[in-house]
Amino acid sequence: DTGVSQNPRHKITKRGQNVTFRCDPISEHNRLYWYRQTLGQGPEFLTYFQNEAQLEKSRLLSDRFSAERPKGSFSTLEIQRTEQGDSAMYLCASSPDFDRVLFGPGTRLTVL
Amino acid sequence: QKEVEQNSGPLSVPEGAIASLNCTYSDRGSQSFFWYRQYSGKSPELIMSIYSNGDKEDGRFTAQLNKASQYVSLLIRDSQPSDSATYLCAVRGGGTSYGKLTFGQGTILTVHP
Repeated sequence: DTGVSQNPRHKITKRGQNVTFRCDPISEHNRLYWYRQTLGQGPEFLTYFQNEAQLEKSRLLSDRFSAERPKGSFSTLEIQRTEQGDSAMYLCASSPDFDRVLFGPGTRLTVL
Repeated sequence: QKEVEQNSGPLSVPEGAIASLNCTYSDRGSQSFFWYRQYSGKSPELIMSIYSNGDKEDGRFTAQLNKASQYVSLLIRDSQPSDSATYLCAVRGGGTSYGKLTFGQGTILTVHP
């Protein structure tokens, strides 16, 4: 069990650019989650997948944010036309059921 | 009203004391309740889960749940400086929110020697 991995760990981009993050869940976990966390706040739910099906997503993902999980393995989160307000830690988590949700190390995004 | 509310603190306790962290939630259909610990610059780490009313103990940690009052708490006995971190309460809702965890803003705990 190597844990949830995320790449890159840090990303600095200019406003208006697109960015894509990758998450590799723990291999036997069929559920995968994306959260966003800003300083002083708890993680904010973005979306979750069961296998390749995206079962729930927040209103944030209706606009510039999109997530995919092809073949039910790794997942990508894309942010189009980044804004300074997108600067945050993007956390991926996975679980074998609904209750043991384990987080990866996160990708820290800075939008200049 | 926020879905999950915590006192942001900071809560400061002396080494060896009991730290008490509290959380309230708004969704009466909530099914499962969790406490995560987050060290500065790190990701959240699951430390406790509780599903039914009452107490659940795991080492120095005790989680308490009162669904009628929509209240969850975490007690840390014999607090150590290494317990200094932000503690996040998370709730798994019912109905259409069944799949996601909703987090509070976290309580900063400082244990001083």
